[in-house]
Amino acid sequence: KAGVTQTPRYLIKTRGQQVTLSCSPISGHRSVSWYQQTPGQGLQFLFEYFSETQRNKGNFPGRFSGRQFSNSRSEMNVSTLELGDSALYLCASSETSGSNYEQYFGPGTRLTVT
Amino acid sequence: AQTVTQSQPEMSVQEAETVTLSCTYDTSESDYYLFWYKQPPSRQMILVIRQEAYKQQNATENRFSVNFQKAAKSFSLKISDSQLGDAAMYFCAYRSLISNFGNEKLTFGTGTRLTIIP
Repeated sequence: KAGVTQTPRYLIKTRGQQVTLSCSPISGHRSVSWYQQTPGQGLQFLFEYFSETQRNKGNFPGRFSGRQFSNSRSEMNVSTLELGDSALYLCASSETSGSNYEQYFGPGTRLTVT
Repeated sequence: AQTVTQSQPEMSVQEAETVTLSCTYDTSESDYYLFWYKQPPSRQMILVIRQEAYKQQNATENRFSVNFQKAAKSFSLKISDSQLGDAAMYFCAYRSLISNFGNEKLTFGTGTRLTIIP
């Protein structure tokens, strides 16, 4: 099976702009989670989608949003970008149950806000 | 809310030696998963080992094993016969099992950077 893919891998944006990141989960996985990784705050949970519904959300402002499509692909959007949004954004997919539970991570999208 | 603490920002070990990375967590739940993830410089996060809290037996995966002390809320990772490819950031993570649904959230520690000395 192909792994989790994320596009684009690198992105440079200017403050005030908006950005959309994409994540394609492993075939058959219906849950997609997003995390923000920064040197200062570490890895923080953004939100999780399952069957096109947001099931869980972290403590991020409303500028951060996401959605999931019927094929389980997910996008996250950040509006009105701030310098502090510069981070590595990781997507992970999983099957939601089972003794071999695991979240599989993508390579990430490196966002730089100038 | 659950918290995960990794008190060792950096560790180093000689190649072929054994190293132990520490992790403690705080939770009021009785059922949960614990994980160790590895993030090499290439940035792809990969699972090293998982432990279900209801299992008393410590998980083992080849050269990687854990010491899970539920009462002490401690979950350390032991790497035996360290290899150059083990160099990476290691993250301890917690996943609640209150409900099978809507609990995909992983709570991560701050990570330990492991250096392997040839």
